[in-house]
Amino acid sequence: EAQVTQNPRYLITVTGKKLTVTCSQNMNHEYMSWYRQDPGLGLRQIYYSMNVEVTDKGDVPEGYKVSRKEKRNFPLILESPSPNQTSLYFCASSSLTSGRFNEQFFGPGTRLTVL
Amino acid sequence: LAKTTQPISMDSYEGQEVNITCSHNNIATNDYITWYQQFPSQGPRFIIQGYKTKVTNEVASLFIPADRKSSTLSLPRVSLSDTAVYYCLVGDLDSSYKLIFGSGTRLLVRP
Repeated sequence: EAQVTQNPRYLITVTGKKLTVTCSQNMNHEYMSWYRQDPGLGLRQIYYSMNVEVTDKGDVPEGYKVSRKEKRNFPLILESPSPNQTSLYFCASSSLTSGRFNEQFFGPGTRLTVL
Repeated sequence: LAKTTQPISMDSYEGQEVNITCSHNNIATNDYITWYQQFPSQGPRFIIQGYKTKVTNEVASLFIPADRKSSTLSLPRVSLSDTAVYYCLVGDLDSSYKLIFGSGTRLLVRP
């Protein structure tokens, strides 16, 4: 089954404790992206990647890091989480080669709470 | 600076046709317009995508005028299960690969 998986689905942590949210897709997609969703603000893009070792900032990259060492994985790293990073996070992927990169497949979401 | 503008919310009744319009005045020449549907606590789901004129699939139709500065998602004969948030998506001006979601339209379908 074609899918995007995220782990963990729920996470409660404390300020300053480094964490990583994993994202993996099995569709051989070149494009992967991270979004955060907050009430009243819709979906905001954090980082995106067009292929292995190619990443770029989205609209709200501050406080986040990403890496793309393998095509299927795109982890989101919070080196020193703060309470304002409490949010619902979504990973997504899409194909660039088919010309339909806007047709993104989303993961189930990770609800992060930073105390 | 918002790249797309949509109504915050809309109400409808079962069986009616619903049209949601998105404004994207600064759309780039090679950008596609894409619409997504999102239910609470779930990731968005792709509905339809188009570049110009009209596109139709089994779920919806998308109307895009010649100037491409707006688009209208049309949902025929909505049901209660169509209650969701609908997002209009276009590529960013600086790079077509930096995607920006609109603020979304919360559609409520009543019995």
